[in-house]
Amino acid sequence: EPEVTQTPSHQVTQMGQEVILRCVPISNHLYFYWYRQILGQKVEFLVSFYNNEISEKSEIFDDQFSVERPDGSNFTLKIRSTKLEDSAMYFCASSGGLAGRGEQFFGPGTRLTVL
Amino acid sequence: EDQVTQSPEALRLQEGESSSLNCSYTVSGLRGLFWYRQDPGKGPEFLFTLYSAGEEKEKERLKATLTKKESFLHITAPKPEDSATYLCAVQGPYSSASKIIFGSGTRLSIRP
Repeated sequence: EPEVTQTPSHQVTQMGQEVILRCVPISNHLYFYWYRQILGQKVEFLVSFYNNEISEKSEIFDDQFSVERPDGSNFTLKIRSTKLEDSAMYFCASSGGLAGRGEQFFGPGTRLTVL
Repeated sequence: EDQVTQSPEALRLQEGESSSLNCSYTVSGLRGLFWYRQDPGKGPEFLFTLYSAGEEKEKERLKATLTKKESFLHITAPKPEDSATYLCAVQGPYSSASKIIFGSGTRLSIRP
């Protein structure tokens, strides 16, 4: 069964460092997303991506964040200068529904720890 | 503002004891309501999509229903392996690649 994969599973970094989180969405999906979940809190939306551009972004997704689809399979989230409060689980998701409607399938997540 | 509220926050049941989880929502122009299961340290696992009031979906011991203001996840004769956090989420009439908005979840624990 097709699934979303993410690497690494756990990333530890120093405050101020850049990190890149990687995702391989389900192969025939066209809509891609990043969400995050701070320990004990809700899953919250960061950004959506379609047709090689950002479709929507939340207030959390400021200039420190960027997304890219560098090739036909990968989808990345870059945080330029990490802060302590960026520590969270980051989930990639993809959807194949028409106009982005319908269920989104989530990856296993990357646990980001900022020291 | 679009909102999803789940209750109860936590529910402990004996194996075989049926119950229901509630999800109430406010969203302008619901495009879909979703139920996910999340195990500790893992990503949300898709269970059901409901699109319109009156719709029902079933999978093994789980059944999801939808009204104009809320959704229920009914669990019948649960087993310990059904222990997890169950998340409700909604999708509104936004742009393409629309986000989904999650509730805080119900932590379900099934005792053998």
